[in-house]
Amino acid sequence: DAGVIQSPRHEVTEMGQEVTLRCKPISGHNSLFWYRQTMMRGLELLIYFNNNVPIDDSGMPEDRFSAKMPNASFSTLKIQPSEPRDSAVYFCASTHPGGFGNQPQHFGDGTRLSIL
Amino acid sequence: SQQGEEDPQALSIQEGENATMNCSYKTSINNLQWYRQNSGRGLVHLILIRSNEREKHSGRLRVTLDTSKKSSSLLITASRAADTASYFCATALGGTYKYIFGTGTRLKVLA
Repeated sequence: DAGVIQSPRHEVTEMGQEVTLRCKPISGHNSLFWYRQTMMRGLELLIYFNNNVPIDDSGMPEDRFSAKMPNASFSTLKIQPSEPRDSAVYFCASTHPGGFGNQPQHFGDGTRLSIL
Repeated sequence: SQQGEEDPQALSIQEGENATMNCSYKTSINNLQWYRQNSGRGLVHLILIRSNEREKHSGRLRVTLDTSKKSSSLLITASRAADTASYFCATALGGTYKYIFGTGTRLKVLA
């Protein structure tokens, strides 16, 4: 089976531009997570969805960040407008249905975002 | 501070030696998971240990869990150069899907 697919793998853009990151979870998984990884702050959970519904977005840093999951096979994370401090690696992960925290997370290979 | 914190932050060993990493957490848990991250890649799940388990093995991996001390350790035996990676522990806050990852241990295995 294909793993979690993220696109693009790399994104370089100028400050103020809109950035859209995409994620396709593993088929049959019903929970999806967006993380941000930086050297300073480590791996931070931004938002997670269960059955396409956002459950907890308390990790979203600012209103400039938004995430959607229109269907079970696609999610987007959007930053508008982008700022240099948003530069990081953004990961998407999905899990199979199961008890709370009882399932391993399957990660994509991330999008390395650089805001100039 | 983070739910999970690993120590040491970095570890360098010779091939064939054992590597031990520790993780501490703050709240009650249902289980604890360990992940590996190779440079430039996503995290890969290694092993899950439930709160009612004290030890678990998977190949060259051995994980222990001490819920009274809120700590876990990951032992990699007979390390190989290919084990060079960062290792993270993760827990889910009780009753939620909210996974919290630790700060990670960077392991370097020298050939």
